[in-house]
Amino acid sequence: GAGVSQSPSNKVTEKGKDVELRCDPISGHTALYWYRQRLGQGLEFLIYFQGNSAPDKSGLPSDRFSAERTGESVSTLTIQRTQQEDSAVYLCASSSRGGGTIYEQYFGPGTRLTVT
Amino acid sequence: AQSVTQPDIHITVSEGASLELRCNYSYGATPYLFWYVQSPGQGLQLLLKYFSGDTLVQGIKGFEAEFKRSQSSFNLRKPSVHWSDAAEYFCAVTRGSTLGRLYFGRGTQLTVWP
Repeated sequence: GAGVSQSPSNKVTEKGKDVELRCDPISGHTALYWYRQRLGQGLEFLIYFQGNSAPDKSGLPSDRFSAERTGESVSTLTIQRTQQEDSAVYLCASSSRGGGTIYEQYFGPGTRLTVT
Repeated sequence: AQSVTQPDIHITVSEGASLELRCNYSYGATPYLFWYVQSPGQGLQLLLKYFSGDTLVQGIKGFEAEFKRSQSSFNLRKPSVHWSDAAEYFCAVTRGSTLGRLYFGRGTQLTVWP
């Protein structure tokens, strides 16, 4: 079946512009996560959606970052007034959860964002 | 705060040699532990996971990992490395109160010599 997809795969933007990154999770997965991977670093948690619960936004680095998810489908990560330090690969993952059991997170290929 | 340490940034081994990648975590209770692999241009793929039970877990591609509570470690091993194993490997942890949110180490880049 189809995995997690992300678009665009690459995005180059000028400093100060806004960008939107899209994630299509695996169908039926209730949980969706965004991570950021800076060059030479591990993945940094950004935000987590689980069903209809309020999202866990505790990893968002500033108020320039926001994310939305419609139901259990597509999610969009928006970065306003981009800065050079926002340059990174943004990874999306989804998983199926139920009854408190932890399920595997399936990752998309990522969006490489370059802010010039 | 939780943290994951992968002390080796880069490891080089010869094809056919054994491999051990180190991972240490900082967390009071029993964590849920994962190893992921990231090949160039590809997303992360789960190699194996530990939730409870047998402390030696088997994964895909011939990898295994051992959970050692006394050492707060979850090292990844493979008895004979193949050239296709060259990639970056990430150790990750999550816990009950923050289900789903993974904390990652900085990764270990593996180079395999022919």
